[in-house]
Amino acid sequence: GAGVSQSPRYKVAKRGQDVALRCDPISGHVSLFWYQQALGQGPEFLTYFQNEAQLDKSGLPSDRFFAERPEGSVSTLKIQRTQQEDSAVYLCASSQPAGQGVEEQYFGPGTRLTVT
Amino acid sequence: AQSVTQLDSQVPVFEEAPVELRCNYSSSVSVYLFWYVQYPNQGLQLLLKYLSGSTLVESINGFEAEFNKSQTSFHLRKPSVHISDTAEYFCAVSEVYGNKLVFGAGTILRVKS
Repeated sequence: GAGVSQSPRYKVAKRGQDVALRCDPISGHVSLFWYQQALGQGPEFLTYFQNEAQLDKSGLPSDRFFAERPEGSVSTLKIQRTQQEDSAVYLCASSQPAGQGVEEQYFGPGTRLTVT
Repeated sequence: AQSVTQLDSQVPVFEEAPVELRCNYSSSVSVYLFWYVQYPNQGLQLLLKYLSGSTLVESINGFEAEFNKSQTSFHLRKPSVHISDTAEYFCAVSEVYGNKLVFGAGTILRVKS
C-alpha cells in the first residue's frame, strides 16, 4: 500500500525566501508528526497533530516555522524568511494514536531543504 | 527532559562478525524504546521496540536489543552481520506511547566483505 509521501523531495531556497513542504500521511492515520534532521544528527521533533488539532508545537525553533493540517489529512510545514540554519531534511511521520492498533510511526522519505 | 546518547558515530565490521550498537537514554519516567534503521536512499523504518514485558526484543532479520533499566541502556546486537545490514541506525525514546520520539545522533554500521 501507499506509504507516507512528501513533496518536494529537494528544495533549494535563497535566504529570505518562504518555503512550503507537504506531507501526505498514510490514509486513515490520525496522528502526524514533523521532525527536522540536520546533517549528521538524529531527527528532532518539531510538531504533532491529532486529526486537524495541533497538540504540540514545542519543537518549532522560531515563529518563522508554521504547520497546519486543516482537514486532518495532508499537512504543510511552512518556513518564512528562510535562514541558512534551516538547511536540513524535514521528515514527516504518521501513525494511529496509542491504543488504537499499531502505533508505529511510519516515516516519509523527507524533504531536503538547502538554503543558499 | 529525555535524551538519547549513541556512543559510536560509525562502526565498521566484517561480514559474519558480531556487532553491538550502543544506546543510553535519560528520562525521569518510564519510557518506550525503539531502534530505527535507515538504509541508503530510503526513509526511516522501525527495526524493533520495547514497550513492556520481556526485556529482550527481537527483529525479523536477526537483530535483538535488551532493555536494561539499571544501566538505562538499550543496546542493539546481531551475532552475524551481512553486507545488506549496512545502514544508519537510530535509537529513540518516547515517554508516551504513540507520541513524539527523541532520537539519538545515529550510528552508521559499515559491513565490509
